Amino acid sequence: ETGVTQSPTHLIKTRGQQVTLRCSSQSGHNTVSWYQQALGQGPQFIFQYYREEENGRGNFPPRFSGLQFPNYSSELNVNALELDDSALYLCASSNPTGGWVVTEAFFGQGTRLTVV
Amino acid sequence: QKEVEQNSGPLSVPEGAIASLNCTYSDRGSQSFFWYRQYSGKSPELIMSIYSNGDKEDGRFTAQLNKASQYVSLLIRDSQPSDSATYLCAVKGGNQGGKLIFGQGTELSVKP
Repeated sequence: ETGVTQSPTHLIKTRGQQVTLRCSSQSGHNTVSWYQQALGQGPQFIFQYYREEENGRGNFPPRFSGLQFPNYSSELNVNALELDDSALYLCASSNPTGGWVVTEAFFGQGTRLTVV
Repeated sequence: QKEVEQNSGPLSVPEGAIASLNCTYSDRGSQSFFWYRQYSGKSPELIMSIYSNGDKEDGRFTAQLNKASQYVSLLIRDSQPSDSATYLCAVKGGNQGGKLIFGQGTELSVKP
């Protein structure tokens, strides 16, 4: 158990709809990163929030957005869902007190999103 | 060229053998390297991190890093059927904060 929790665990949405995924970071962690993992692939970085500010973004369109709350929990929002958005969405939390290089990230159990 | 490359496998080894998993990366500025284990249907679990050239051992696991060759590996000694999983190599660049770049993963199967 990493102490990182995500909700919901499974979700089915219709193409064109919007979805919000939630993540509670591990106690003491102020950084949350979101990843998308398609079947048979490695996770792909979506974006990262550090102390409530976005401080890095991967190659994802603007319809992928997020925020981080004062308690460092985070949301990932996806608008205008497409079939290709079907994937496992992973949240990872960390605390870069020793510097980003040596910071380890710990994943939640993920949210399986199916778009039909 | 992919940023992080792994053989997708499956890699099959008998119980008790050494499993060797390999990973290459393209960014010479990469500074930290991680191995995650992912069981089918589950999320990645961190098993090793390595930052300096050489070997790092933790129980049955040994991570090896060669920055000159842009190569990182994971050895699993005395492999057990419970080690059967997909192993993900992840690399962190020098100026990219906490962003991890993952390979596609190598599926390991340990046969009793």
